[in-house]
Amino acid sequence: QVQLVQSGAEVKKPGASVKVSCKASGYTFTSYGISWVRQAPGQGLEWMGWISAYNGNTNYAQKLQGRVTMTTDTSTSTAYMELRSLRSDDTAVYYCARDRNRRFGGFGPDAFDIWGQGTMVTVSS
Amino acid sequence: QSVLTQPPSVSGAPGQRVTISCTGSSSNIGAGYDVHWYQQLPGTAPKLLIYGNSNRPSGVPDRFSGSKSGTSASLAITGLQAEDEADYYCQSYDSSLGSVVFGGGTKLTVL
Repeated sequence: QVQLVQSGAEVKKPGASVKVSCKASGYTFTSYGISWVRQAPGQGLEWMGWISAYNGNTNYAQKLQGRVTMTTDTSTSTAYMELRSLRSDDTAVYYCARDRNRRFGGFGPDAFDIWGQGTMVTVSS
Repeated sequence: QSVLTQPPSVSGAPGQRVTISCTGSSSNIGAGYDVHWYQQLPGTAPKLLIYGNSNRPSGVPDRFSGSKSGTSASLAITGLQAEDEADYYCQSYDSSLGSVVFGGGTKLTVL
């Protein structure tokens, strides 16, 4: 079945970096974009950015520009999100989510129909 | 402060109808961008409930419906059931921010 499986929980110190993976299965990976969404404890959802699995084009949230990098490895159907210079307020569950519609190259607003199970990232000294 | 405004909580008795509002502005919902709704059960990932303002993915009961008018959208749930108790989020796109935006979320309590 169509699914996204994420890597396990991480504990990092302030100033460090974290890289979360999201492995896709059950569909043609390069036909859909992937967004990353995070949720701080007890808080709402925050969109972090999007990557085209077709050509690697990205669109990052302004707030995270310069600290976040999203990449894909089409040979393993895996998307990655790296966040640098971690702060305590980056503590959150990080989700990857697939665009509902096929998209080849350019970003476009879309619903997210498949979500990963989430990865808890804790930033603490 | 979320770009899209939702009530923090709503409640209803089993069998009743509840609605959750999502209020935006001329740079998001009012600009014609679609609104999508998600249900998040405790400790789980969000699940797509409504896409494109009023469309249900396969498997979502027809007790759930969505609508959009002007700068606002609404999610209606009829025949409320205990299993509907969850957090609900609206999502759209904001052209001023150049970003996908979510509402702050609404906690539905089934009395």
